[in-house]
Amino acid sequence: DIVMTQAPLSVSVTPGESASISCRSSKSLLHSNGITYVYWYLQKPGKSPQLLIYRMSNLASGVPDRFSGSGSETDFTLKISRVEAEDVGIYYCGQLLENPLTFGSGTKLEIK
Amino acid sequence: EVQLVESGGGLVQPGRSLKLSCAASGFTFSNYYMAWVRQAPKKGLEWVATISTSGSRTYYPDSVKGRFTISRDNAKSSLYLQMNSLKSEDTATYYCARHGQLDYWGQGVMVTVSS
Repeated sequence: DIVMTQAPLSVSVTPGESASISCRSSKSLLHSNGITYVYWYLQKPGKSPQLLIYRMSNLASGVPDRFSGSGSETDFTLKISRVEAEDVGIYYCGQLLENPLTFGSGTKLEIK
Repeated sequence: EVQLVESGGGLVQPGRSLKLSCAASGFTFSNYYMAWVRQAPKKGLEWVATISTSGSRTYYPDSVKGRFTISRDNAKSSLYLQMNSLKSEDTATYYCARHGQLDYWGQGVMVTVSS
């Protein structure tokens, strides 16, 4: 199984500042078709997860462009620019390259 | 607007069965793979099952293989999860999600396995 390792466990950010969350996979998520199958989800308090970034760097519909995704074959970063109060929650990376689909353990973002 | 609405959760004793349903609307259900993902209390996300567009192919992690069965009725735009031989570790909120990207999730339904 592909293990997804996230860091940090939690991050506290002042509104208006930036935050970065890292995710590492135990296997390359780069498919032979050139697509890297890493995804980022945000679970706001008491809500269902929502898709933020798909295929490493593509912004999901309706997601503010303050969010961006980048990375290589095994190391990935979610960056949130100009953090707002509505960004609080738990951020998960996940791999959809192969079964079993697996997710990181989550990074909790709090506002200072 | 895409909507996924789960139902069928509840309290069940260990070893018993339960069937979850997910009603889909706002998109052409038959065009998409679908999945179930669960989240134990205060824990992370765990993939539970995936089904192909026609229902002919299904996929499970080892933790539920042989106990859970995913199915669908494209005529009713509905997804199902039959859960047998339930264990306490199956206690979780179960989400149905549109696959490809897991881009839409339902509100979730709670399943508690306890005597």
